[in-house]
Amino acid sequence: KQEVTQIPAALSVPEGENLVLNCSFTDSAIYNLQWFRQDPGKGLTSLLLIQSSQREQTSGRLNASLDKSSGRSTLYIAASQPGDSATYLCAVGETSGSRLTFGEGTQLTVNP
Amino acid sequence: EADIYQTPRYLVIGTGKKITLECSQTMGHDKMYWYQQDPGMELHLIHYSYGVNSTEKGDLSSESTVSRIRTEHFPLTLESARPSHTSQYLCASSYHSAPYGYTFGSGTRLTVV
Repeated sequence: KQEVTQIPAALSVPEGENLVLNCSFTDSAIYNLQWFRQDPGKGLTSLLLIQSSQREQTSGRLNASLDKSSGRSTLYIAASQPGDSATYLCAVGETSGSRLTFGEGTQLTVNP
Repeated sequence: EADIYQTPRYLVIGTGKKITLECSQTMGHDKMYWYQQDPGMELHLIHYSYGVNSTEKGDLSSESTVSRIRTEHFPLTLESARPSHTSQYLCASSYHSAPYGYTFGSGTRLTVV
């Protein structure tokens, strides 16, 4: 059974700092990996989607990498802003490309 | 604009009532999902559907039921609400052949008193 772990569970940084969120998964036979953002009490907003054949994806200040063989993904946030404060969730898709298994998330606080 | 909609956004209801949480998407996605999330906790899949008239139970046991009579509509029903059903319910959808990933609704926060 696929298990997804995110480290750290919580992170507090000053504004402007670059930071890295980590995600690891136990079964490397994944179809894709998706990073989401969740604001308190809200739904999930998709940030980046990486297919199993890809190594990284970039969107603005966000860069996500994938190392399938080692079962790891990172989300890099450049020049963090207070508006980046949220919980960041990593989810891996099974080989069928359907069901997602979620990590517990990293709660990020960016202080002005 | 293509999107996924959940109603109601918040619901407070008494024990024993029957409730239906609505989820509709305008993207033509054939796959739809319901997740349950307690505050500060991870998401758990409770139901999913691969198309019309197709429904399956997820990883987390749930007393709810779902139906998929139309591609765009995937309602979740609780026949008799209990305080243990208090949680946030998130609906999502995706294409049959990703690479498009999931799209989530804004969620329904249910409180059973």
